[in-house]
Amino acid sequence: DAMVIQNPRYQVTQFGKPVTLSCSQTLNHNVMYWYQQKSSQAPKLLFHYYDKDFNNEADTPDNFQSRRPNTSFCFLDIRSPGLGDAAMYLCATSTRTDDYEQYFGPGTRLTVT
Amino acid sequence: GQNIDQPTEMTATEGAIVQINCTYQTSGFNGLFWYQQHAGEAPTFLSYNVLDGLEEKGRFSSFLSRSKGYSYLLLKELQMKDSASYLCAVRDSNYQLIWGAGTKLIIKP
Repeated sequence: DAMVIQNPRYQVTQFGKPVTLSCSQTLNHNVMYWYQQKSSQAPKLLFHYYDKDFNNEADTPDNFQSRRPNTSFCFLDIRSPGLGDAAMYLCATSTRTDDYEQYFGPGTRLTVT
Repeated sequence: GQNIDQPTEMTATEGAIVQINCTYQTSGFNGLFWYQQHAGEAPTFLSYNVLDGLEEKGRFSSFLSRSKGYSYLLLKELQMKDSASYLCAVRDSNYQLIWGAGTKLIIKP
């Protein structure tokens, strides 16, 4: 089945230790999104790629970076995680930005100790 | 600013009907979405409205009034597996999705 895959599902990192979360998709969608979602809160868009075009949200901290080496893969790098970065990180895809549906991966729950 | 309001939590009984409301104030409108999210899982798409009126899909229906900035999600014949959070999201004039914080629906036997 075509899908969005996120690895790992659970990630524990230490305060200040860089961490990378990965997302892959077999849907061949042009657009990939990274969201941060804290408990009982709305998903917060961090950035998205339309093909290789990178779009950073204005309030996304510099601590968060992203790479999309090809259509299938997208990475979220957190350079120096703080306690406030503990959250669920959701990857989503769509065929284009005006597509009516985004397809989400299962998410990576990040714990910072 | 842009704002999506929905109740934090609702409780309903198995087999009953529940209506989850969503009001929005956004810069422009290019569609409203409802997603279901079970605890610890990713959101899954339920419905999309861009024109006024009711969209029915099985046990779930979604209604939109653009002039009132209002939508609701109607769930019929509630099942225990419907216990989840229901997220309302609006796409603004820049095609950005503005998300609500979600309504946690608790189903009791």
